[in-house]
Amino acid sequence: EAAVTQSPRNKVAVTGGKVTLSCNQTNNHNNMYWYRQDTGHGLRLIHYSYGAGSTEKGDIPDGYKASRPSQENFSLILELATPSQTSVYFCASGDATDWGGYQDTQYFGPGTRLLVL
Amino acid sequence: GDSVTQTEGLVTLTEGLPVMLNCTYQSTYSPFLFWYVQHLNEAPKLLLKSFTDNKRPEHQGFHATLHKSSSSFHLQKSSAQLSDSALYYCALRGSNTNKVVFGTGTRLQVLP
Repeated sequence: EAAVTQSPRNKVAVTGGKVTLSCNQTNNHNNMYWYRQDTGHGLRLIHYSYGAGSTEKGDIPDGYKASRPSQENFSLILELATPSQTSVYFCASGDATDWGGYQDTQYFGPGTRLLVL
Repeated sequence: GDSVTQTEGLVTLTEGLPVMLNCTYQSTYSPFLFWYVQHLNEAPKLLLKSFTDNKRPEHQGFHATLHKSSSSFHLQKSSAQLSDSALYYCALRGSNTNKVVFGTGTRLQVLP
């Protein structure tokens, strides 16, 4: 079973502060993703990555940066946190080598609950 | 750009009745479609997905058929169970990208 872990699991931050959310996967997947989940909006893609050193903007990248220093790790950075960034954040990894096949799946981490006061 | 539409925010039905959750999509390239399920306080996980060989996917009694003519990938089950209560997401990946787009989700509530 593919494994994706996230830290911290819960975070309280102050407005204007810097927040870093970390994600680690042991699946050796090339692709990694950051989503936020909000009622009424579903899962929205913030940033994603094709491999170490690459980051791509998703659908809602404003106010977020991403970093992929290695195959295993993908971080989401909020340089100046705002209350509107209060949400649940999910990291996911996926196999890029079997498009349309049985391995074409995203594996999600357990999520991080972020509260910005 | 690619998009997924789930028109129902909440579907409530009685145990034993059939389930159908709607999903339509827009994509420039022939996409791959997915259904993910998220139970309370858990992470989303794959329920089923379309395949390049057009085999109809089935899992845990659920199935979905990709209809390219109507751009739909509705999720169906013949008889709902209490344990099916969860949040269901339809998702899409275009054939030329690793980017995955999710719909807004449909909460299924199955009552005894």
